[in-house]
Amino acid sequence: AQKITQTQPGMFVQEKEAVTLDCTYDTSDPSYGLFWYKQPSSGEMIFLIYQGSYDQQNATEGRYSLNFQKARKSANLVISASQLGDSAMYFCAMRERGYSTLTFGKGTMLLVSP
Amino acid sequence: GAVVSQHPSRVICKSGTSVKIECRSLDFQATTMFWYRQFPKQSLMLMATSNEGSKATYEQGVEKDKFLINHASLTLSTLTVTSAHPEDSSFYICSAHRDTSSYEQYFGPGTRLTVT
Repeated sequence: AQKITQTQPGMFVQEKEAVTLDCTYDTSDPSYGLFWYKQPSSGEMIFLIYQGSYDQQNATEGRYSLNFQKARKSANLVISASQLGDSAMYFCAMRERGYSTLTFGKGTMLLVSP
Repeated sequence: GAVVSQHPSRVICKSGTSVKIECRSLDFQATTMFWYRQFPKQSLMLMATSNEGSKATYEQGVEKDKFLINHASLTLSTLTVTSAHPEDSSFYICSAHRDTSSYEQYFGPGTRLTVT
């Protein structure tokens, strides 16, 4: 079974609108961390936001927020006020306790139009 | 913030030759480094985990003799693709952990390998 599922291969949004990128995960470990990365066409992986499984509040970083619903095992990324520069591939990833490795989802390509 | 560099950023080589890719942590000591491979329009797939001074741990399906990983110091890991073939053409990305208590991995900019 996939550990990280991103069901949206592609998303379109107009500039200045908000967009939600979905991510669900599967783990039996009570301690884990969830990450979102942005990968523009240049290929670099840009860290956006992190949510720990024990964090009481949803993580926020500027225009990025993570809608963490633990019972549903979902960690959706919300980008407010989209900008043209937000057009990129977005990956959700998870790190489980005892493992230093990250498991990535298949990614969602976001296109922001003027 | 922590910076990880990769060299070269792009490389073209002929089939049958070997290629070495370097991954360096520039402003921190990396206890663990990771090597990923990414085919076009696909996700990152972990190839191996390397700890300084010890043998790399390879993921299932990754050929150890083909993808040689050396983590000689706390700031340098190298990936050597031996006897490269066109199917090895891919985007190779490394990342590094500052320490085991840190949740974040710092990614290098990637190396695009093309084997002709």
